[in-house]
Amino acid sequence: RKEVEQDPGPFNVPEGATVAFNCTYSNSASQSFFWYRQDCRKEPKLLMSVYSSGNEDGRFTAQLNRASQYISLLIRDSKLSDSATYLCVVRRNNAGNMLTFGGGTRLMVKP
Amino acid sequence: ETGVTQSPTHLIKTRGQQVTLRCSSQSGHNTVSWYQQALGQGPQFIFQYYREEENGRGNFPPRFSGLQFPNYSSELNVNALELDDSALYLCASSLGQGAGTNEKLFFGSGTQLSVL
Repeated sequence: RKEVEQDPGPFNVPEGATVAFNCTYSNSASQSFFWYRQDCRKEPKLLMSVYSSGNEDGRFTAQLNRASQYISLLIRDSKLSDSATYLCVVRRNNAGNMLTFGGGTRLMVKP
Repeated sequence: ETGVTQSPTHLIKTRGQQVTLRCSSQSGHNTVSWYQQALGQGPQFIFQYYREEENGRGNFPPRFSGLQFPNYSSELNVNALELDDSALYLCASSLGQGAGTNEKLFFGSGTQLSVL
């Protein structure tokens, strides 16, 4: 079983739709949580960190449930430019810069 | 732009050859980590260098090795290339070893390696 699991998709949604991605992690020593965005064969870019209290950045909302070891990302009012792969990422306690990435969920927003 | 540059951008090698990939970290960053991303998968941590010493390694064989130089730039060397080594190799730099929970990584745009 992979340490970080995501539904690979693709999620095909129309512009303006709301879409949610889920992620589970298996290592309870995970300390920090992130969502990264990756465009086709380019470098991953940090979208947002994820906190237990939940956090929002414009159209993006991230939630963390430590008890269930579950992370989510909600995108409201999808834009064509949101089309990308979304990577769920965890960092274990005392693991330095070793990030553990999920396999990514591909989103395609269509006109 | 993250200020992290990698070279070359693309490379084709044959099985059994050796390859060296290079990374220049963002100015002032003393930590470099390397990741391998196979097609359709998320990046996997190879190793990390802090002030010229390896201080963290993922589940990769010894034929994956690296160096960090006094200016904090870095190299990834892969010996005895295998077909499965075909991947996007990403370098990321940071200020510090990641002890801070919100320490940010800055990724380069990667080197696409194809092994034939």
